[in-house]
Amino acid sequence: GDSVTQMEGPVTLSEEAFLTINCTYTATGYPSLFWYVQYPGEGLQLLLKATKADDKGSNKGFEATYRKETTSFHLEKGSVQVSDSAVYFCALSGSSGYSTLTFGKGTMLLVSP
Amino acid sequence: GAVVSQHPSWVICKSGTSVKIECRSLDFQATTMFWYRQFPKQSLMLMATSNEGSKATYEQGVEKDKFLINHASLTLSTLTVTSAHPEDSSFYICSARDIDGLSGANVLTFGAGSRLTVL
Repeated sequence: GDSVTQMEGPVTLSEEAFLTINCTYTATGYPSLFWYVQYPGEGLQLLLKATKADDKGSNKGFEATYRKETTSFHLEKGSVQVSDSAVYFCALSGSSGYSTLTFGKGTMLLVSP
Repeated sequence: GAVVSQHPSWVICKSGTSVKIECRSLDFQATTMFWYRQFPKQSLMLMATSNEGSKATYEQGVEKDKFLINHASLTLSTLTVTSAHPEDSSFYICSARDIDGLSGANVLTFGAGSRLTVL
């Protein structure tokens, strides 16, 4: 079945550092890929998405490119802020049309001033 | 953009009582909603798929008599935790399926979650 693997956290960075959170997936067909963010005490929010190979999703300075050849969707940001501290979930939606999501385990990001 | 409202955001109840959590899509109709459970420091676990006008589809290992789901309208799904016990304490999150206007892709919008504590 479908699966998503994320790098384990926590990832601890200083403000303005470069961020990469790795995400790889296993799925049949052509899934859609997502990054969700969960701030402390809140539910999930969609951060960005990509629906086909080579698409780049971007939002709030975060980017991720759908790489089918490496089955990856790594999240990047050039300069993190303290307010980016949260848990980030990579997820995929299967290509069958049934849009339930398969989540990775989440990666906690801690940014210090 | 699409908004999903979840209520209550937190609830404390005594063991043996039942608790109802509502999930509403505020500005779109959702024929399908999903209920997730999140354990501390873990990812989301899909509990069930709620389909408007029909019975919910439960994931393996989820007790349907314990977690009652009703999807009576296109904008409302409810999860009732019956005879709650301390082990049911968790963060419950719903999501509703919407169609992205530009790409036509299915996108899930999540509620803010409901934290249940059973004493």
